[in-house]
Amino acid sequence: EIVLTQSPGTLSLSPGERATLSCRASQSVSSGYLAWYQQKPGQAPRLLINGASSRATGIPDRFSGSGSGTDFTLTISRLEPEDFAVYYCQQYGGSPPITFGQGTRLEIK
Amino acid sequence: EVQLVESGGGLVKPGGSLRLSCAASGFTFSSYTMNWVRQAPGKGLEWVSCISSSSNYIYNADSVKGRFTISRDNAKNSLNLQMNSLRAEDTAVYYCVRAYNGVYFDIWGQGTMVTVSS
Repeated sequence: EIVLTQSPGTLSLSPGERATLSCRASQSVSSGYLAWYQQKPGQAPRLLINGASSRATGIPDRFSGSGSGTDFTLTISRLEPEDFAVYYCQQYGGSPPITFGQGTRLEIK
Repeated sequence: EVQLVESGGGLVKPGGSLRLSCAASGFTFSSYTMNWVRQAPGKGLEWVSCISSSSNYIYNADSVKGRFTISRDNAKNSLNLQMNSLRAEDTAVYYCVRAYNGVYFDIWGQGTMVTVSS
């Protein structure tokens, strides 16, 4: 099973700042199989990025994904108030189990 | 509108059973792999089970193997999760989720809460 470790656990920033979230895998993940999700309180998660770097439909271009192998990054270029939420990375290594990282909470400083 | 609506959650005693359902609309249900993903209170996301578009392939997380059974009815656009031998650690919000290209979770339901407690 591929274990995903996200860092930091909590990130405190102000609107307008740049956010950099990390996701590290215990073994190599094909870039085609790494995704990022955003979850706000009381809501279901929302797909942001698939294929490590492709924005999902309707996702603003301030969100970007990068990385390969075992190290992946989600960057939010300029934080908007609605971006403060919990973010999860997810991998599908070709066969189940599908795994998620433990999440990074992005909070307002 | 593409939509997934779960139902069937509730309070059940340890060792009991519950059946969750998910009604899909707004897309060709029979073309997509479907999943259940759960989230314990205050915790992260955990993938539970998936079923391929024609039910040829079914996979379950180790934590639910032998206890949970996923199934689908493409004629009725519905997905089900039969949960037996429930434990306190199964307490969670259960989401019905569509898999895009069989890999990414692009459409999520609103979730249904399952509480296992005596």
